[in-house]
Amino acid sequence: EPEVTQTPSHQVTQMGQEVILRCVPISNHLYFYWYRQILGQKVEFLVSFYNNEISEKSEIFDDQFSVERPDGSNFTLKIRSTKLEDSAMYFCASRTGTTHYGYTFGSGTRLTVV
Amino acid sequence: DAKTTQPPSMDCAEGRAANLPCNHSTISGNEYVYWYRQIHSQGPQYIIHGLKNNETNEMASLIITEDRKSSTLILPHATLRDTAVYYCIVNDYKLSFGAGTTVTVRA
Repeated sequence: EPEVTQTPSHQVTQMGQEVILRCVPISNHLYFYWYRQILGQKVEFLVSFYNNEISEKSEIFDDQFSVERPDGSNFTLKIRSTKLEDSAMYFCASRTGTTHYGYTFGSGTRLTVV
Repeated sequence: DAKTTQPPSMDCAEGRAANLPCNHSTISGNEYVYWYRQIHSQGPQYIIHGLKNNETNEMASLIITEDRKSSTLILPHATLRDTAVYYCIVNDYKLSFGAGTTVTVRA
């Protein structure tokens, strides 16, 4: 069964450093998403991406965050200057262009900012 | 987006059916009901969705009331591996996860 692949599975970074989280969505999917989950809290929407541009973003997704689909297969989330409160699980998801079909999530990247 | 209300937790015996309720009284006519689950800290997993007809797949059944104000997810024969947080979500274009129902399947 097709999977959404995320790398790395765990990343530790120092506060103020830039991090890039990588995702390979399912190949024929057209919509891409990033979510995060702070330990013990709800899964929160960050951003959706379609047709090479952001279609929606949450209040969390401020100027420190950016997304890119550089080569038609990878989908990346960059955090420019990490803060302690960015520590969380980050999930990538994708879905087909067909309306009303389930999202497929990756297994996540655990980001720890020290 | 319509809001959903789910019980915070429930227990189920292994091998028995688990019936997970969800209220979505403000759902609008074209909004679908989706169910996802999250096992431990893994990524959420799609289970099933429906508009107004009952639906069944290899994982579960979804029963939606005629007025569409509530639904029930049925896991027909719960196993220990079904222990997870189950989320009922209305509207698809941006999944909004609530607290869900923590289901514990006991041997």
